[in-house]
Amino acid sequence: EVQLVESGGGLVQPGRSLKLSCVASGFTFSNYGMNWIRQAPGKGLEWVAYISSGSSYIYYAETVKGRFTISRDNAKNTLYLQMTSLRSEDTALYYCARLGQLRVMDAWGQGASVTVSS
Amino acid sequence: DVVLTQTPPTLSATIGQSVSISCRSSQSLLDSDGDTYLNWLLQRPGQSPQLLIYSVSNLESGVPNRFSGSGSETDFTLKISGVEAEDLGVYYCMQATHAPLTFGSGTKLEIK
Repeated sequence: EVQLVESGGGLVQPGRSLKLSCVASGFTFSNYGMNWIRQAPGKGLEWVAYISSGSSYIYYAETVKGRFTISRDNAKNTLYLQMTSLRSEDTALYYCARLGQLRVMDAWGQGASVTVSS
Repeated sequence: DVVLTQTPPTLSATIGQSVSISCRSSQSLLDSDGDTYLNWLLQRPGQSPQLLIYSVSNLESGVPNRFSGSGSETDFTLKISGVEAEDLGVYYCMQATHAPLTFGSGTKLEIK
């Protein structure tokens, strides 16, 4: 069974940093591109970042470029999102999602909650 | 960025009723490779989104065949033929033809 389990969320003050992790199981992690998607409270879905299977290609949403860093460790089957200079508008549930064939998000984690507040 | 406009924002249906959700794109979603990367997802209350339909009209494995997708270029439709109680939630269209990938604003389906 394909599983994605996020962790590392929490309450953080504006301007501080936080690192999310997403552990994958049930599939060959190193074969898939991965994404971070976020959802602010009561709002819709927003794509945040993408990393290719071998980390050669990395892309960010303009709203987080220069502040967030996506990375992965294929030996540990783990995806990361390092978030710095956090703002209140970064408050959201952060999902990791697998990018399958035909560019579909075919597996999602349960989400990690990030609250940025003083 | 590609803007996906979903209508209606909310939908109220009785069990067994057929409903449709529209997703209109600000640009053609036909890729140079010939595919159209328009997908539909459902987010049930308190759950993560799940894939329903990919590439306009292909049903994801395990998804009931009362769901169907159609459309081309900039106009797409998700149809549910005979709503069931478990179908309540928010439906999102999503495009992956143009970077960055973007989502529609969602359509909330309520059961009367």
